[in-house]
Amino acid sequence: DTEVTQTPKHLVMGMTNKKSLKCEQHMGHRAMYWYKQKAKKPPELMFVYSYEKLSINESVPSRFSPECPNSSLLNLHLHALQPEDSALYLCASSQDRSRANQPQHFGDGTRLSIL
Amino acid sequence: RKEVEQDPGPFNVPEGATVAFNCTYSNSASQSFFWYRQDCRKEPKLLMSVYSSGNEDGRFTAQLNRASQYISLLIRDSKLSDSATYLCVLDTGNQFYFGTGTSLTVIP
Repeated sequence: DTEVTQTPKHLVMGMTNKKSLKCEQHMGHRAMYWYKQKAKKPPELMFVYSYEKLSINESVPSRFSPECPNSSLLNLHLHALQPEDSALYLCASSQDRSRANQPQHFGDGTRLSIL
Repeated sequence: RKEVEQDPGPFNVPEGATVAFNCTYSNSASQSFFWYRQDCRKEPKLLMSVYSSGNEDGRFTAQLNRASQYISLLIRDSKLSDSATYLCVLDTGNQFYFGTGTSLTVIP
């Protein structure tokens, strides 16, 4: 069982909807990540939070808006998405970014479909 | 040039075979290296970290060659349950980079 919990598992939304993806970890990790993964491709990094501050934004369109309310939670707010945004959205966490050999632990993802 | 290059395969091997995957990387400042496995429609799961001295976990052996800038994963005595996509990941300290993944199918 994964120690990073993502909800919902599946989400179908229209292009005008607003929804949020949620991620939670209780391992005391201080770095959290959002990835987007299309079929048969590796995960693509979207955002990195380190100590609740956004440290990397990989030029993600503004229709994706991350939020880190506290050290255990990471949200991804979605608005006016496009059909090409349909993908598996993965959250991950790692202990912190200050030391080497700190692997990421992934949640089981939210499978998002945009109609 | 991509940060990480990985042979996508597919590798189709019989049960009991030994199979090896490599990844090459371009950033010599890369600090940490990992192998993940990902089953179809599941999340990536950490298989093992890769240390400079090489490390082994049961049937799996990982090696790092900093001079030639590659990492490898060796799987001995392949099982049907080893069928998955294997992703190499490197951490430069700024961010993580993923290889494209190598697909392995172990055939009965």
